[in-house]
Amino acid sequence: DSGVTQTPKHLITATGQRVTLRCSPRSGDLSVYWYQQSLDQGLQFLIQYYNGEERAKGNILERFSAQQFPDLHSELNLSSLELGDSALYFCASSAPLAGGHYNEQFFGPGTRLTVL
Amino acid sequence: GDSVTQMEGPVTLSEEAFLTINCTYTATGYPSLFWYVQYPGEGLQLLLKATKADDKGSNKGFEATYRKETTSFHLEKGSVQVSDSAVYFCARLLQGAQKLVFGQGTRLTINP
Repeated sequence: DSGVTQTPKHLITATGQRVTLRCSPRSGDLSVYWYQQSLDQGLQFLIQYYNGEERAKGNILERFSAQQFPDLHSELNLSSLELGDSALYFCASSAPLAGGHYNEQFFGPGTRLTVL
Repeated sequence: GDSVTQMEGPVTLSEEAFLTINCTYTATGYPSLFWYVQYPGEGLQLLLKATKADDKGSNKGFEATYRKETTSFHLEKGSVQVSDSAVYFCARLLQGAQKLVFGQGTRLTINP
């Protein structure tokens, strides 16, 4: 158990809908990362938050957005869903090292999204 | 651009065989390197890491050495078990960067 929790575990929805995935980082970790794992694209970084602020952005679609709340949990919002958005979405968290570098990332169990 | 390349799978071995999964990277600067493992139906677990050249990461009988001259971080285990069956991902993290860049993953199956 990494200490990172994600809900729900599975989500099945229809094209055009909107869903919210939730992540709680390990106790004490300030950084939260979102990754998408799909068969055709592999594991790709989407976005990172640190203590409530967006820090880095990867291959995240404009239809997707995220935020980190004061209690440090994070939500990934996916809207106008398409069939191709079906994937496993992982959240990870890490603690900062001194000097602004970052420690290894610990991953949650993932949310499997199926868009029908 | 920066990338991580793993040997293509799937890899199938018999129990107690020697395992090597190759991983090479391209990156500017000096990345930290990681191996993650994903067991069936589960999330990613950090298996081992190395943060500078010639470092050797090790865990659960697995080892990988950070080779700057060959830009490689090959995963090895001397004697695999059925319980090692999983997908293995090599990844790199650039100093000061936020995102892990993963290889495509190598599915390993160990037969009894």
